[in-house]
Amino acid sequence: QLQLQESGPGLVKTSETLSLHCTVSGGSITKTGYYWGWIRQPPGKGLEWIGSFSYTGTTYYNPSLKSRVTVSVDTSKNQLSLKLSSVTAADTSVYYCARGAGSSVSLDSWGQGTLVTVSS
Amino acid sequence: QSGLTQPASVSGSPGQSITISCTGSTSDVAGYNYVSWYQQHPGKAPKLIIYEVSNRPSGVSTRFSGYKSGTTAYLTISGLQAEDEADYYCSSYSSAGALYVFGPGTQVTVL
Repeated sequence: QLQLQESGPGLVKTSETLSLHCTVSGGSITKTGYYWGWIRQPPGKGLEWIGSFSYTGTTYYNPSLKSRVTVSVDTSKNQLSLKLSSVTAADTSVYYCARGAGSSVSLDSWGQGTLVTVSS
Repeated sequence: QSGLTQPASVSGSPGQSITISCTGSTSDVAGYNYVSWYQQHPGKAPKLIIYEVSNRPSGVSTRFSGYKSGTTAYLTISGLQAEDEADYYCSSYSSAGALYVFGPGTQVTVL
């Protein structure tokens, strides 16, 4: 059974870079037809897609975050990574990693999420 | 940032049917059959319940159904149960540059 587990610091200082990892087990991150992405949810608010890495090696980013975001994959570790630079309090959120089915553009498996708080 | 609109809340009594709307544009909902719906219980990760407008993943109750008309997609929950009380988010592919655009979410309350 596919499992995704986010990890990383729960507290990041304002203006620094937020870095998270998502370890995938029970399936290969290089499997054809799938995208691996990050979605965040500020406390008490809705979902926002951040970016995704395609099985073709292409990355896709939310235009509103594109200048600050890098999503990458380490195939040797079966791991997805997120870097978000120049963070502010507005970036405080629960960050989820998720698998996207390319054929349906739907997110069919999710990690449990990790809360990242940005504070000075 | 959301390009999709949903009602903030919908409620119903056990056994009733409710419908949640998700309105977008020709760049997303109307232009593609890539509308998905997610159920999220408090403190939990979202769960995919409908993909490609009307398809249910394996294991999802048949009480959940979806359809689309023009720029609006709909999620219907039939035979409402207490366990259906959750937040529901619609999502669509968007040609405006985002793989996934989410609606603001609808809180479903079972009376």
